[in-house]
Order: sequence, then C-alpha cells, then structure tokens
Amino acid sequence: DIVMTQSPDSLAVSLGERATINCKSSQSVLNSSNNKNYLAWFQQKPGQPPKLVIYWASTRDSGVPDRFSGSGSGTDFTLTISSLQAEDVAVYYCQQYYSTPYTFGQGTKLEIK
Amino acid sequence: EVQLVESGGGLVQPGGSLRLSCVASGFTLSTYAMNWVRQAPGKGLEWVSVISGGGGNPYYADSVKGRFTISRDNSKNTLYLQMDSLRAEDTAVYYCAKERVTFDSWGQGTLVTVSS
Repeated sequence: DIVMTQSPDSLAVSLGERATINCKSSQSVLNSSNNKNYLAWFQQKPGQPPKLVIYWASTRDSGVPDRFSGSGSGTDFTLTISSLQAEDVAVYYCQQYYSTPYTFGQGTKLEIK
Repeated sequence: EVQLVESGGGLVQPGGSLRLSCVASGFTLSTYAMNWVRQAPGKGLEWVSVISGGGGNPYYADSVKGRFTISRDNSKNTLYLQMDSLRAEDTAVYYCAKERVTFDSWGQGTLVTVSS
C-alpha cells in the first residue's frame, strides 16, 4: 500500500498570508506512460463532506479559487494557498489514486492566526 | 447538478449487518466508477471500496475485505454497500463518492454506529 504522510499536522496562518501544506508518498505516484501524478487534494470543513480542490497534482477543480495551487512530482507534493481567506479554514487531505487501495494523508488542520 | 444521497446508516450490534444505499442524480451513473469512503468520529478519511461503471471489478480495503460487498443498480441510479460481521471499528460516517479522475463529488454521508 502507498502511505501518504502530510506535514505539518496543524498550521496557523494570518489572513492574507501564504499557507503551505506538504504531502509525501511512500512510492512514486507518477505514471510514466502519461506523465501524470495521481495525486489529489481535498478540503473538509466541519460537518461537511470533503471537497475536491486539486487533481493531477496541480489542476484546480471547477470553481476552486486561483489562490489554491498544487505542485510537486513523484513522491513530494505541496498545496499552497497564496493569500489565506477566512473561508479556507478547514482540514486538508492529500490522496493518491495511482493504485488501490486508494490512500489519504492523515490531514492538516488549517486555522487563522 | 450532481447529487448523491446516502441512507441506511444506524445503530447495529457487533456481528450485525447493514446495507447502505446511495442514490445518484444529475449524471449518468453507469458512466462512472463509484466509491465508498468512511470517516471515524474525529478521524481522517479511509477509502473502503470501488466498483466500475458496469458493476465489475470491485476492490476493497483489507480492513473490510470478506465482510463488505459493493454493488450497484444503474437502472435505479443506486450504489450499495452490504456490511456484514460489523465491528466496533467500523463505526464511521460512510460517504459515497463519484469517481471522475478521483472523488469529484461526495454525498453528505450516513452514520454507522456499531455498539452493544
């Protein structure tokens, strides 16, 4: 199984500042045949289901603000929120869909400082 | 608009069974693989199972293999999860999720509590 490890576990950032969350996979999730990283990011607010934010490591899902960006390749990935807004407070999860069992990181709780 | 509505959760004793349903609307169910993902109270996300659009090729997490069965009835726009031999550690909110690349749409979830 591919183990996903996020850092940090929690993060407090001031409004308008940059937030950065890291995710590391225990093996590469890059498919060399199509050069795509099978890595997604989800946002989950209290009492709500998760919401897809980023897929293919760097593609924003429809309607996601452009302050969200994803980067990385192979085993190391980053979710960046360029200018934190109050509505971005949530738990963020990375997930690999390269192979079953699909696995998630443990989550990073993002709060306002 | 895509909608996924889960039902069937509740309180069940250890060793008991439940069948969850997920009714889909706003898209053609048969076009997409569908998944179940669960979240224990206060914990992270755990993928449970996937089934292809046509109903074949089910896969399961090791934690539920041999006890849970995923199925679908595309004519009824419904996904199912039959859960047998339930354990306390199966207590969680169970979400169904549509798979376009990955889990692009989720239901609101249904709570399963396994307790005596």
